[in-house]
Amino acid sequence: QSALTQPASVSGSPGQSITIFCTGTRSDVGSYNLVSWYQQHPGKAPKVMIYDVSKRPSGISNRFSGSKSGNTASLTISGLQAEDEADYYCCSYGGGSTVVFGGGTKLTVL
Amino acid sequence: QMQLVESGGGVVQPGRSLRLSCAASGFSFSSFVMHWVRQAPGQGLEWVAVIWSDGSNKYYADSVKGRFTISRDNSQTTLYLQMSSLRAEDTAVYYCARDLGVGYSGWGFDYWGQGTLVTVSS
Repeated sequence: QSALTQPASVSGSPGQSITIFCTGTRSDVGSYNLVSWYQQHPGKAPKVMIYDVSKRPSGISNRFSGSKSGNTASLTISGLQAEDEADYYCCSYGGGSTVVFGGGTKLTVL
Repeated sequence: QMQLVESGGGVVQPGRSLRLSCAASGFSFSSFVMHWVRQAPGQGLEWVAVIWSDGSNKYYADSVKGRFTISRDNSQTTLYLQMSSLRAEDTAVYYCARDLGVGYSGWGFDYWGQGTLVTVSS
């Protein structure tokens, strides 16, 4: 149950696009299309933005997209907006009926 | 309106026990797999435990296995986390979260409670 690897921080200007990578192993990200991404604003509960690698829940902007290649998943946010500034966490089924999270990435909108 | 409301957090001494509750409303609680996820102060999210919709299966993170027990009462639409032999490193906000699968586990979370803070300190 080792944590997935994410960059500690990323930044971008309004209107730009950014991508957050999440690296796991063959035992988690690489073996299952069960990767999800969560946005968390300070003091708030997390909110699902992407699930099953690339599916968007109802009500989530199409500026958010997800993909996966091998053991690495990614979240892309296009047309950055000020309200996108938050912490983002990737999450994957870890096998053996367990779940593993990434360490989180702080997104700063410049 | 769908709601998950945690309670039971507080300050507890190392080695003692505490039980958290999560009251669910606004959806068919007995149809969903449920999880506990925690977040230490200033840290990231850590999955804690999962329980099947009928309570038949339960699984835990290695960090809490043997010390924490997840359970549910579908008649009361409430999820529980019994925590024993608490350690300083268990200090965290504990969230209950609904699994995004219906009738099975999708291994993700579509609704979260607001969390309850557990502080383990002498």
